[in-house]
Amino acid sequence: DARVTQTPRHKVTEMGQEVTMRCQPILGHNTVFWYRQTMMQGLELLAYFRNRAPLDDSGMPKDRFSAEMPDATLATLKIQPSEPRDSAVYFCASAGSSAQEGETQYFGPGTRLLVL
Amino acid sequence: GEDVEQSLFLSVREGDSSVINCTYTDSSSTYLYWYKQEPGAGLQLLTYIFSNMDMKQDQRLTVLLNKKDKHLSLRIADTQTGDSAIYFCAESILGGNNLFFGTGTRLTVIP
Repeated sequence: DARVTQTPRHKVTEMGQEVTMRCQPILGHNTVFWYRQTMMQGLELLAYFRNRAPLDDSGMPKDRFSAEMPDATLATLKIQPSEPRDSAVYFCASAGSSAQEGETQYFGPGTRLLVL
Repeated sequence: GEDVEQSLFLSVREGDSSVINCTYTDSSSTYLYWYKQEPGAGLQLLTYIFSNMDMKQDQRLTVLLNKKDKHLSLRIADTQTGDSAIYFCAESILGGNNLFFGTGTRLTVIP
């Protein structure tokens, strides 16, 4: 049963600390997305990668957020330094590329981040 | 830009049918999707429809697409309490790489 996995599932940290979230896309998927979900803003696209190259990170605050794909099986999202307004659920999603499915995205369970 | 709109709330009684509506603005949509999000969980793909189709049925789910009016709906037959969740519609645009999501509709099923 192929799934997107994310770690940690929950993270509580203090303002100013570094936070690293990890995502393992479905094996064989070549596109990875990072989203943030809050009550106020809903679901926001932060960044996405195709074949490990960043294609769009315009939704991400550049001064404190960074996203990378060290290899095809791992995507990371870092916040340094973290702030209380970063508290949200961060989702990773991956997609393959087939005529049948289009750009269907499969979501991980999310990392619930609370910055105190 | 792309604008996907949904009503925020819907309540139905158990056993009735639910219809969740979505409108979008971009006429070059290629695929349209319905995702379900249960409390504390990620988004689960329910179904999707290619833009040259009018209807797709999958067990209790029926998706209707009116491309002329840019209107998408999801009908859930015999709604159960386990169907209570937030339902997101999303569209992908020809030549694009990402999805544009609506705000989500919170479906509450009353026993």
